[in-house]
Amino acid sequence: AQSVTQLDSHVSVSEGTPVLLRCNYSSSYSPSLFWYVQHPNKGLQLLLKYTSAATLVKGINGFEAEFKKSETSFHLTKPSAHMSDAAEYFCVVTPLWDGGYNKLIFGAGTRLAVHP
Amino acid sequence: GAVVSQHPSWVICKSGTSVKIECRSLDFQATTMFWYRQFPKQSLMLMATSNEGSKATYEQGVEKDKFLINHASLTLSTLTVTSAHPEDSSFYICSARPGRGSYEQYFGPGTRLTVT
Repeated sequence: AQSVTQLDSHVSVSEGTPVLLRCNYSSSYSPSLFWYVQHPNKGLQLLLKYTSAATLVKGINGFEAEFKKSETSFHLTKPSAHMSDAAEYFCVVTPLWDGGYNKLIFGAGTRLAVHP
Repeated sequence: GAVVSQHPSWVICKSGTSVKIECRSLDFQATTMFWYRQFPKQSLMLMATSNEGSKATYEQGVEKDKFLINHASLTLSTLTVTSAHPEDSSFYICSARPGRGSYEQYFGPGTRLTVT
């Protein structure tokens, strides 16, 4: 079975300071992991993905995440927050093999607030 | 590339009527499309998986007779909410996957349904 736990429902940072959004996963198979961002009343945009290649994954808008198998974690980071980063972030897992239907398992989400 | 559209972006309907939501992959063929439901400030809940030319697979607890899904072509899937009630009011998001070899899903912008 697969599951995702986002450890913080809300994170608040000041503009220009680092961002850390935490995610732990559980997967019976080797996982593929994603981070998506959702702005209010919008669909989801893919930030980055891990699919068994390099463990440090760089995404768009300066975000990156590191896959740590020993810790079953895939935390999202950004060195310097921007006001436009304020949004909801979802950590998502899918097994690299699931019979072919590739269901995405979503975390509960972390709301990031950025203050001036 | 990999753009998914939804129509309408928002809809208001009266209780007891039916509403159809379209999901289109604009620049790729989607063998599989997914429909999600998102309640305010909550995560996405997978409702069903549809493969082109075959019946949709519904998640446990989702009424197949209430949420009719049709995947008539490789670029179009529709979700029809039949006999809508106020509790069906929600944000509905579709996603599309280019092929079985791809683990990535591309999300539409969502449709806000309000049932009065």
